[in-house]
Parts: sequence; C-alpha cells; structure tokens
Amino acid sequence: ELKVEQNPLFLSMQEGKNYTIYCNYSTTSDRLYWYRQDPGKSLESLFVLLSNGAVKQEGRLMASLDTKARLSTLHITAAVHDLSATYFCAVARGNTPLVFGKGTRLSVIA
Amino acid sequence: EPEVTQTPSHQVTQMGQEVILRCVPISNHLYFYWYRQILGQKVEFLVSFYNNEISEKSEIFDDQFSVERPDGSNFTLKIRSTKLEDSAMYFCASSEGAGAYNEQFFGPGTRLTVL
Repeated sequence: ELKVEQNPLFLSMQEGKNYTIYCNYSTTSDRLYWYRQDPGKSLESLFVLLSNGAVKQEGRLMASLDTKARLSTLHITAAVHDLSATYFCAVARGNTPLVFGKGTRLSVIA
Repeated sequence: EPEVTQTPSHQVTQMGQEVILRCVPISNHLYFYWYRQILGQKVEFLVSFYNNEISEKSEIFDDQFSVERPDGSNFTLKIRSTKLEDSAMYFCASSEGAGAYNEQFFGPGTRLTVL
C-alpha cells in the first residue's frame, strides 16, 4: 500500500527565512505533485516531478525529487506572508489513485 | 483556460437527507474522480469513473454513495442518506487519460455540511 508522509505538519516561520517541507513515500512512484491550498479553497497545482533528480522552481518555491530515497522536498526561500497556505504532496503510481500526504500548514509571520 | 466546475459551492443538509453534488469536468477529459477532505485533514480518494463505469473505489465509497454521468457534461456524486461524518469538502477532478502520467485537474470543491 502506498503511503505518503509529510513533515512538518505545522510550520510557523518568519518572513525572510528559509525552510524545507519533506515528503516521504513508501513505494516506487511515477509522478509526484505538490499542491497549494488556501483555506476553504481548491487545490492549486504547483509542481509535477517525474524523474529522479528533477528540480523545479517557481518564485520562492523550489521542489526536488529523489526517487531512490523516495523523498521530495519543497524549499521556501525568503518567505513572504503570501506563501501562508497548506501544502500537500501527492504521489501517483501506475493506475492507482492519487495518494496525498496530510499536508503542511505554513504560516509566515512578520 | 478550461477548468473543472462544481455546484453548489456550499450545501447544507439535514442528517438522513439525500444530496447530489455536481461537477462539469474539462470537456475532452475521459476520466473523472471524486475526492473528499474532512476539515483540517488530508484529501482522500473516493471513486474514479471511466466509460460510464466505476473503475476504482475506496473503502469510504460505500453503498450510500453513487456516481453518475447523466448527460455528456455533468458528473454527479450522490449520497443517499447523509450522516454527520459526511461533512467535508468534496472535490471533483478530471484527466485526459488514466494512470500516473495523466495529471488530474481539480474543481473548486463543494463544502457539504450535515446537521
């Protein structure tokens, strides 16, 4: 059974600081997704990671994938308040449904 | 840009009542999904649907749930007799094809509140 673990589940960080969110998964995967969710809103796709060593960046967010370690990271650089949201990773494998992590609730404070 | 739409955005119902949640997937997509997110928790898969049949369902998707594509555009989730624990955000998603290499696009969600 595919399991996805995220940590931390809650993260309070100061503006301007850097931090990393981790996503571990239990079996091989074909794709890994990172989503952002604002309170009461839908899932906004941030990154799709396909292969080992993949790195993608958008603004202050950078995602990477290590398939050997079954680990993806979402790195936040110089956080700003607008990044406050819940971030989910989700793993896709074969024809099985997407499996989501529990999410990391990020709060960026001044 | 094409998007998945869902109606209503918020549904309040009494326990034991039937509800139907509606979704319009992206027009050229063939695979449709429902997910559920209880407040503050992770997103959980309910069911996938292709070619007018359920292709996969989770343990959550019991006999109280059903899905249908009544016409060429809508995809519905029906809960026959709602329970308090059905209160959640329900997301519809669609994809062009099946499997990991076809990205699923999510709708804005319907917040279901069961009183």
